[in-house]
Amino acid sequence: AQSVTQLGSHVSVSEGALVLLRCNYSSSVPPYLFWYVQYPNQGLQLLLKYTSAATLVKGINGFEAEFKKSETSFHLTKPSAHMSDAAEYFCAVSRGGSYIPTFGRGTSLIVHP
Amino acid sequence: DAGITQSPRYKITETGRQVTLMCHQTWSHSYMFWYRQDLGHGLRLIYYSAAADITDKGEVPDGYVVSRSKTENFPLTLESATRSQTSVYFCASAQDRVQPSSYNSPLHFGNGTRLTVT
Repeated sequence: AQSVTQLGSHVSVSEGALVLLRCNYSSSVPPYLFWYVQYPNQGLQLLLKYTSAATLVKGINGFEAEFKKSETSFHLTKPSAHMSDAAEYFCAVSRGGSYIPTFGRGTSLIVHP
Repeated sequence: DAGITQSPRYKITETGRQVTLMCHQTWSHSYMFWYRQDLGHGLRLIYYSAAADITDKGEVPDGYVVSRSKTENFPLTLESATRSQTSVYFCASAQDRVQPSSYNSPLHFGNGTRLTVT
């Protein structure tokens, strides 16, 4: 079985500060990992995905995530937060042979001026 | 325009009524999914479909019915709506994952249907 844990249902940062959203997974086999973003009144959009080609993955809007197998983590970061980054962020995991992704419960990113 | 569209965007219905949420995608993706999103629960899978005429239950299928007679459409029906089915419903699609290299295919989501059952 696979599962995803996102630590912190809400994360609050100041504009210009570092963004760190945490995601830990459990999977019995090497996983495929994803981060999605959801803006108000919209569906989820892919931010980035890990597919084993490189442990540091760059996504859209300046976000990146690092796969750490020893820590079973895939944390999302951005060096400098913008007001437009305020949204809900979801981590998801799937593994070879299982095409149904498992989603975390989401983390709401709040950006203060 | 290419993409995945859901209709209606907003729906209010009464307890006991039947309601159908529509989902249409133009990519010819094999896989389609229905999720509900509720505060504190994140996204929960209701049903999914691997191809036309192939559907399977997800995590929370009770009270819902799906069909997929055509690849591009995947309607979700609430046979007798209950207040606990008040939620935001998202449809999603993904390209064929038969090949191992496709297991990293991301989901493409519609903009959701906000359903209120009174």
